[in-house]
Order: sequence, then structure tokens, then C-alpha cells
Amino acid sequence: GQNIDQPTEMTATEGAIVQINCTYQTSGFNGLFWYQQHAGEAPTFLSYNVLDGLEEKGRFSSFLSRSKGYSYLLLKELQMKDSASYLCAVRSGNTPLVFGKGTRLSVIA
Amino acid sequence: EPEVTQTPSHQVTQMGQEVILRCVPISNHLYFYWYRQILGQKVEFLVSFYNNEISEKSEIFDDQFSVERPDGSNFTLKIRSTKLEDSAMYFCASTAGRIEQYFGPGTRLTVT
Repeated sequence: GQNIDQPTEMTATEGAIVQINCTYQTSGFNGLFWYQQHAGEAPTFLSYNVLDGLEEKGRFSSFLSRSKGYSYLLLKELQMKDSASYLCAVRSGNTPLVFGKGTRLSVIA
Repeated sequence: EPEVTQTPSHQVTQMGQEVILRCVPISNHLYFYWYRQILGQKVEFLVSFYNNEISEKSEIFDDQFSVERPDGSNFTLKIRSTKLEDSAMYFCASTAGRIEQYFGPGTRLTVT
């Protein structure tokens, strides 16, 4: 099976940088995904990593280390609208995504 | 921008009743999924569908559940005899290439 761990809650200040970590255990790793989910809404895709390293997309970056079973999502220049849950999800082989429980981020002024 | 749509947005039903949740995936997508999210819990995979058949299903997707693509555009999830524990948000998702999955807005199912 797969095991995905991420912090339950985080708080950060508007304009700051926050790093949300995710660790996973799986066999046949085939990609790690980050999704954003605002309360009561659907998850929206943020990033995909399958090789080690950093993927940057505007204010958001995602890092992967396959040997460590570790990823992080980095959010820069935080805005109030970034308050949401951030879901780490892993795929093994061609199996469907397995989601972590999500990290609820609160951005405060 | 194309998007996945789902109807209804909220469905209330009595225990033991059948419900059908409807989804219209993005038109050129090939892979379709149903997920559920019980309030306050994580998103859980139910079933994936490709080439007009189920490609994978989870333990949650038991004999009470079925999926169909009746007319080449709609993708439905049927729950034959709902239970209280089926109360959840049900999300449909689709993808062209199995990387970025586009989620619909969800149907909130409440079983009383």
C-alpha cells in the first residue's frame, strides 16, 4: 500500500514564503502531484514531479527527492487567497492517485 | 476554458434509495474518474474508466456502485441502495494523458 504524510495545519503571513512537506512510502513510484483545494470546492492541479529536482511555476514550486520519499510545495509572496488545503498525491505504476489528508494553510495579515 | 461539469450540485436522498450522479468530462479526454471526499477527510479514489470499461476500482467501489458512459459525453455514477456512510462529496475527474486530472465541482450527497 501507500502511506502519505503531510502536516495537518500551517499558518503563514501574507507576503511570506511557506514550505509544505510531504513524505510518502510506495512501490513503483510514478509521480507526485500537488493539488489546491479551497473549502467546499474541487481540487485543482498545481504541479507534477516524476524526476528529482525542482519544478517552478510562478509563485509555486515543487520539489521531489525519490530516494528520500520526500516532496515539498513552496509558495512565495503569499496572498490571502492562498488560504486553502494543499493535497499531496502519489501514483504508483498506472494505479490511480492516492491522496494525503491535506495541509490546511491559513494566510494571515 | 473547457471544464468538467457535474449535476446535481447537491442531492438529498433517503437511505436505501438509488441515486445517479452525473458528470460531463472535458470533450477530448479519454480517462475518467470518480472520487469521494467525506467531510473533513481525504479525497479517496473510487473508480477509473477508459475505453468504455472500468480500468480500476478501489475497495470502496463495491457491488452497490456502478458507472456508465451512456451516450459518449455523460459519465454517471450510480449507487443502488444508499447508506448513511455514503454521505460525501463526489468528484468526477477527467484527463487526456493521465497526468493533470481536471476535477468537476462535485456533488454533495446527503443520505438521511
